[in-house]
Amino acid sequence: AQTVTQSQPEMSVQEAETVTLSCTYDTSESDYYLFWYKQPPSRQMILVIRQEAYKQQNATENRFSVNFQKAAKSFSLKISDSQLGDAAMYFCACTNYGGSQGNLIFGKGTKLSVKP
Amino acid sequence: DAGVIQSPRHEVTEMGQEVTLRCKPISGHNSLFWYRQTMMRGLELLIYFNNNVPIDDSGMPEDRFSAKMPNASFSTLKIQPSEPRDSAVYFCASNRNFLRHPSEQYFGPGTRLTVT
Repeated sequence: AQTVTQSQPEMSVQEAETVTLSCTYDTSESDYYLFWYKQPPSRQMILVIRQEAYKQQNATENRFSVNFQKAAKSFSLKISDSQLGDAAMYFCACTNYGGSQGNLIFGKGTKLSVKP
Repeated sequence: DAGVIQSPRHEVTEMGQEVTLRCKPISGHNSLFWYRQTMMRGLELLIYFNNNVPIDDSGMPEDRFSAKMPNASFSTLKIQPSEPRDSAVYFCASNRNFLRHPSEQYFGPGTRLTVT
């Protein structure tokens, strides 16, 4: 079974600084996707970034980037130039590819606070 | 596109009553997912459909929960009878075709259910 672990229940960062959120996962699949979702107080789940396991290059989306270490099964999210609007719960998620066993497994989340 | 639509946004009911949550996926999306979010257990996948067919319902907690997808544009999650421990936020999500393209899922705004 797949598992996703986020070891940091809460994190805090100063506005304009950089913060890294940690995520480790476990899967027996060779093909899978990894995601980071953001959930602000509005409750809406918003996709931040995704990474295909077969791609060695780390995904980037503007101020958001990942450090994907496949051998270590690690998938951390780096937020650069943090903004007040980045304050939210962040969830790491994993899903395998194809077949009838595909499902999305979420970590418990990390609550990020941004200090002005 | 209007995105994934869920109704109601909030539901308060008494223990023992039947509750029906509704979801309209994004037009053209073939896969639909129901999740439950609680503080204790985080985000859990309850069931997902592909082309209106339930693929994996192993996350449905017990027989009091049932889900249907009578057509490509509508799904329901029913709890009968409801219990206080069912209080949670229930999310519906959709994507293009999960089994072939496990890319990001698009989430609805969620239904906050309170069972007293």
